[in-house]
Amino acid sequence: QVQVEQSGAEVKKPGASVKVSCKASGYSITNYGFSWVRQAPGQGLEWMGWISGYNGKTNYAQKFQGRITMTTDTTTSTAYMELGSLRFDDTAVYYCARASDSSAWTTGEFFDFWGQGTLVTVSS
Amino acid sequence: QSVLTQPPSVSGAPGQTVTISCTGSSSNIGAGYDVHWYQHLPGTAPKLLIYGNFNRPSGVPDRFSGSRSGTSASLAITGLQAEDEADYYCQSYDRSLNGSGIFGTGTKVTVL
Repeated sequence: QVQVEQSGAEVKKPGASVKVSCKASGYSITNYGFSWVRQAPGQGLEWMGWISGYNGKTNYAQKFQGRITMTTDTTTSTAYMELGSLRFDDTAVYYCARASDSSAWTTGEFFDFWGQGTLVTVSS
Repeated sequence: QSVLTQPPSVSGAPGQTVTISCTGSSSNIGAGYDVHWYQHLPGTAPKLLIYGNFNRPSGVPDRFSGSRSGTSASLAITGLQAEDEADYYCQSYDRSLNGSGIFGTGTKVTVL
């Protein structure tokens, strides 16, 4: 069955970077994409970006441009999201989710399987 | 910053019907882009409830239904059950934000 397993909680200092991983099983990641979504304490869901599992193409939310990098490793069926220049308000639970299209970020994308979430705490 | 507006909360007694609205604009829902819905229990992974405006993934009860009209979309839950108490989010695409994915502000459903 399809599963998406994320890496464990992280504590980082302001200005540092964090890299969260998302290992997929039960399907071929080259047939789908991944999106990353976060939820800050007491807030709603926020879309951060998308990466193709097929060709590594990305589409990042404007808000994160310049400090976010998404990658995939097809040999291990793993997606990664690295966020740099961390600020206190980056404290959130970060989710990866399987996206419906593989090769391009399209207008009808939805997310059918989600990881369990990774808590990233930014604290001095 | 979300551009899809949902009511912060709705409530209903078991067995009743509740409806959650998702209001957008001409750059997202009004442009004809699909709307999808998720159920989120705190501390768990969000669950896809509706995709492509009205389609249910296998395993989602037919008590959940979606619709879209103009610049808005709606999720209806009929025969409300205690297990439906959760947060619900709509999601779509917005062409004004570099072709961004967007989520609604979220609605807390309370079963009285």
